[in-house]
Amino acid sequence: AQKVTQAQTEISVVEKEDVTLDCVYETRDTTYYLFWYKQPPSGELVFLIRRNSFDEQNEISGRYSWNFQKSTSSFNFTITASQVVDSAVYFCALSEADTGTASKLTFGTGTRLQVTL
Amino acid sequence: DTGVSQDPRHKITKRGQNVTFRCDPISEHNRLYWYRQTLGQGPEFLTYFQNEAQLEKSRLLSDRFSAERPKGSFSTLEIQRTEQGDSAMYLCASSTDNQPQHFGDGTRLSIL
Repeated sequence: AQKVTQAQTEISVVEKEDVTLDCVYETRDTTYYLFWYKQPPSGELVFLIRRNSFDEQNEISGRYSWNFQKSTSSFNFTITASQVVDSAVYFCALSEADTGTASKLTFGTGTRLQVTL
Repeated sequence: DTGVSQDPRHKITKRGQNVTFRCDPISEHNRLYWYRQTLGQGPEFLTYFQNEAQLEKSRLLSDRFSAERPKGSFSTLEIQRTEQGDSAMYLCASSTDNQPQHFGDGTRLSIL
């Protein structure tokens, strides 16, 4: 069975601070995908990134960066110089990578990020 | 590029009534998913369609729930004899093979 744990329920930072959101996962699959989604107050889940289990290279996209460590089953997300618009609930998710499967997503419980001025 | 569209955005109904939600996926996306999200939780998978075929259903999907995707385009999710515990946000997502899922705004169901 797959499981995603986001231990941080809520994080509050002041604008321009850096913040890291933690994600730990469990799976028996040898190939899988990891995801981060953002859910702003409007409710729509916005896709941020997908990583393949074979690719442990860290990725940077603007103020966002992701650290994937297979040895610790973690896929952490860092926002540099946070902004008020970053305030949202962030979900880490996991799916099988076999194209013959449903590739349904297993989500964590989310981390609510509050960025204040 | 039109995103995933869900209708209605909000539905309030009395316990015991039937409700139906609609999802229009991104054009040409062959995969369509339904998830349910309760307050403070992440979305939970309900069911999956590849084109018009419903290929997987979660055990969360009781006999009161039924989903269809008759022509492989839009999908409907019906809940019969609604119960208090059905109150949740129902999310639809679509994708092509091996691509990330894109979500709609969801339908928030409130049972009185």
